[in-house]
Amino acid sequence: GAGVSQSPSNKVTEKGKDVELRCDPISGHTALYWYRQSLGQGLEFLIYFQGNSAPDKSGLPSDRFSAERTGGSVSTLTIQRTQQEDSAVYLCASSFRGTSGYNEQFFGPGTRLTVL
Amino acid sequence: KQEVTQIPAALSVPEGENLVLNCSFTDSAIYNLQWFRQDPGKGLTSLLLIQSSQREQTSGRLNASLDKSSGRSTLYIAASQPGDSATYLCAVRRNFGNEKLTFGTGTRLTIIP
Repeated sequence: GAGVSQSPSNKVTEKGKDVELRCDPISGHTALYWYRQSLGQGLEFLIYFQGNSAPDKSGLPSDRFSAERTGGSVSTLTIQRTQQEDSAVYLCASSFRGTSGYNEQFFGPGTRLTVL
Repeated sequence: KQEVTQIPAALSVPEGENLVLNCSFTDSAIYNLQWFRQDPGKGLTSLLLIQSSQREQTSGRLNASLDKSSGRSTLYIAASQPGDSATYLCAVRRNFGNEKLTFGTGTRLTIIP
């Protein structure tokens, strides 16, 4: 596609419910990243995919958070038993692997999650 | 642990002025540095990427410099326009093989017509 797309753009859920956030990277980009932007913490790295595998999951805040990527394309970030502190904008990015490694990251518009 | 700081947190300047945004990082062992802009309620738009071996990059009215040894980068915006109003973020990538970006806290820029 022309850019990174994310869905839904907004999600309001009740505390304790599970949510799934979707990311469609730029076609041909083999690396995919999830970040979280919240008022108190700024923009934080969550997880990175190279193809379908996740070499770096160090930013996932708890075991309630998980992510998968299938077919080297679409990725889903799942938050189980949501808490109010999970409220944030979840941003996805993708990049292309050149001869010197992955370079410029291109971001999607984000999903704004509100947990009531 | 890498820490990235952007000062000032907010800046207002009259239209037409040239301005400089600052970014500093504590660990100079970086692979590259990327500047982004973020409009309210939107995602991030990549502006410039500087590799650790480079000193500066230019795109139109934007010029980014990198002084890795001192842990600093600046984003220079020439002849500012109201459309430049946004939050500007810098982010550093640690090294080859470590793909995550560590972001600064951002500078909210307002250009006054």
